[in-house]
Amino acid sequence: GAVVSQHPSWVICKSGTSVKIECRSLDFQATTMFWYRQFPKQSLMLMATSNEGSKATYEQGVEKDKFLINHASLTLSTLTVTSAHPEDSSFYICSARGLGDEKLFFGSGTQLSVL
Amino acid sequence: GQQLNQSPQSMFIQEGEDVSMNCTSSSIFNTWLWYKQEPGEGPVLLIALYKAGELTSNGRLTAQFGITRKDSFLNISASIPSDVGIYFCAGPKTLNFGNEKLTFGTGTRLTIIP
Repeated sequence: GAVVSQHPSWVICKSGTSVKIECRSLDFQATTMFWYRQFPKQSLMLMATSNEGSKATYEQGVEKDKFLINHASLTLSTLTVTSAHPEDSSFYICSARGLGDEKLFFGSGTQLSVL
Repeated sequence: GQQLNQSPQSMFIQEGEDVSMNCTSSSIFNTWLWYKQEPGEGPVLLIALYKAGELTSNGRLTAQFGITRKDSFLNISASIPSDVGIYFCAGPKTLNFGNEKLTFGTGTRLTIIP
């Protein structure tokens, strides 16, 4: 299957700082990338959908100024958690899909802990 | 919003036993996907189903696309320790041309007792 690389795997930061998470599709061009958030023992909740070269579409209740998404190329999308607070601590997972493909391939996730 | 309900929520079984789980929706899907997630990792695609009534296998895993298109089933035969994890069903929903969202089920957590 296709490979999606996500970095970092985990990050610990102080409250008020910003954290950037990268998601790369290594062997295919990802026309669409998705960012999910997952709390312990819960399902994945879609945060936003990003298409290369255009603004991300955010799900209801997700603050676009808080979670900045950039999808500048067909192989890279970034999620920046701005002014992180302890309640932002969660497991963030990206996924990517090529043009015309319904299958999603996921990154390995990023565990964010905000102190 | 749309919801995919999975049953059971969790399972504790002995190694070697067969496993059955299902996923139901209030609306119709044209595709069903089954993923497995291990702790601290992203989900990995197991099986994709594209046609109502379709039965597809991947090794010891077999999944079926329900005829009503509102449900899907996943079976694991002769479970082994590495089957431990959370199994999610997922269904894509087309919002408009070229724009789809994937909705995940509530998950079934599988624990295997040696």
